[in-house]
Amino acid sequence: GIQVEQSPPDLILQEGANSTLRCNFSDSVNNLQWFHQNPWGQLINLFYIPSGTKQNGRLSATTVATERYSLLYISSSQTTDSGVYFCAVERRSDYKLSFGAGTTVTVRA
Amino acid sequence: KAGVTQTPRYLIKTRGQQVTLSCSPISGHRSVSWYQQTPGQGLQFLFEYFSETQRNKGNFPGRFSGRQFSNSRSEMNVSTLELGDSALYLCASSLEVNVNEQYFGPGTRLTVT
Repeated sequence: GIQVEQSPPDLILQEGANSTLRCNFSDSVNNLQWFHQNPWGQLINLFYIPSGTKQNGRLSATTVATERYSLLYISSSQTTDSGVYFCAVERRSDYKLSFGAGTTVTVRA
Repeated sequence: KAGVTQTPRYLIKTRGQQVTLSCSPISGHRSVSWYQQTPGQGLQFLFEYFSETQRNKGNFPGRFSGRQFSNSRSEMNVSTLELGDSALYLCASSLEVNVNEQYFGPGTRLTVT
């Protein structure tokens, strides 16, 4: 199956800092999503971004499909940004998301 | 528009029992997928249904099964429960085959004792 690698595995930030999370994948994809998992387990959609760049408030994401990676940027981090961030990809005609292991972000006040 | 709903939210079962979990997709969504999340294995795909047909299945034993109804609601069943089946089970829905942004429900946390 497709391999999805996220880095770093853990990230500790001071409130107000900026950060970049990376997702590498091993095959061509037709779907890439970033999620934030809250403490209760709910996966919150951040971006649906098979290619290109998108921004939503303090978060932005870029996917370079030809080079098989995606980046999630968090600017001016807040304590509410803490949690696990997952990248998930779907190969063409696969109908299933393959998840990375996640990046655990801790933002300290 | 209401999000994906899952019932029950929490469940405790004994080894050897069976369990049925339910998922109602976002209104208008026709595809439903199920995932298992454990600390050791992470998030793993179980199966996906579209128009009452299973389109894809992950690498899980036959004890794990599912179905989808004509209103797109889906159920998954796990028979002969094992301790290792303790996990968070997540359901996701998406609109169409070619519009596959997936939206997740809050999950069902299953504990097998």
